[in-house]
Amino acid sequence: DVKVTQSSRYLVKRTGEKVFLECVQDMDHENMFWYRQDPGLGLRLIYFSYDVKMKEKGDIPEGYSVSREKKERFSLILESASTNQTSMYLCASSPLWGTKNIQYFGAGTRLSVL
Amino acid sequence: AQKITQTQPGMFVQEKEAVTLDCTYDTSDQSYGLFWYKQPSSGEMIFLIYQGSYDEQNATEGRYSLNFQKARKSANLVISASQLGDSAMYFCAMREGTWDTNAGKSTFGDGTTLTVKP
Repeated sequence: DVKVTQSSRYLVKRTGEKVFLECVQDMDHENMFWYRQDPGLGLRLIYFSYDVKMKEKGDIPEGYSVSREKKERFSLILESASTNQTSMYLCASSPLWGTKNIQYFGAGTRLSVL
Repeated sequence: AQKITQTQPGMFVQEKEAVTLDCTYDTSDQSYGLFWYKQPSSGEMIFLIYQGSYDEQNATEGRYSLNFQKARKSANLVISASQLGDSAMYFCAMREGTWDTNAGKSTFGDGTTLTVKP
């Protein structure tokens, strides 16, 4: 069964803290993604990775960085959390090649920055 | 210009009736894919149905069907015999291209919240 696991469902952090959001997939997918979801704005791509140590900026990379040291794990890092980064964060994975490239999502992490 | 447009922020449907959720898209690629996802209040995005740009027949998955009108660039989701558990937010998404490293990227619409009334 397909599985994408995000380390936390809910997270509360303080302004200025360094925050790590972890995502692990067990489907041997090449692609992994981090999205941010805010009401009325749909899903916005922060970063994606198509291979180990490879990363590409998405639509809203400012204030975020990522790390992919192993194929199954993709981490999103907020170097210095700010209140405008309070949001729902979704991780997804998909195969690199193929006609469908269906993305499979984790359960999401609701981050509050106080 | 927005690549995926979902014009219905919210929809209501009576239980057991059919409902259509609208999605229009914009692309100059010949090869692309269209997806619908469901997001219940729990937050997890669930893949529902896929339509490829070269598929001649409309995709169907159980009670879900995709009304694909290529010339009009629309990919509406039809849910037949609505159930209370169908209440959720629904997202339309598009993948452009096929065989490059950007092929996995998808663009999502803003979503439609569907409420099924008993």
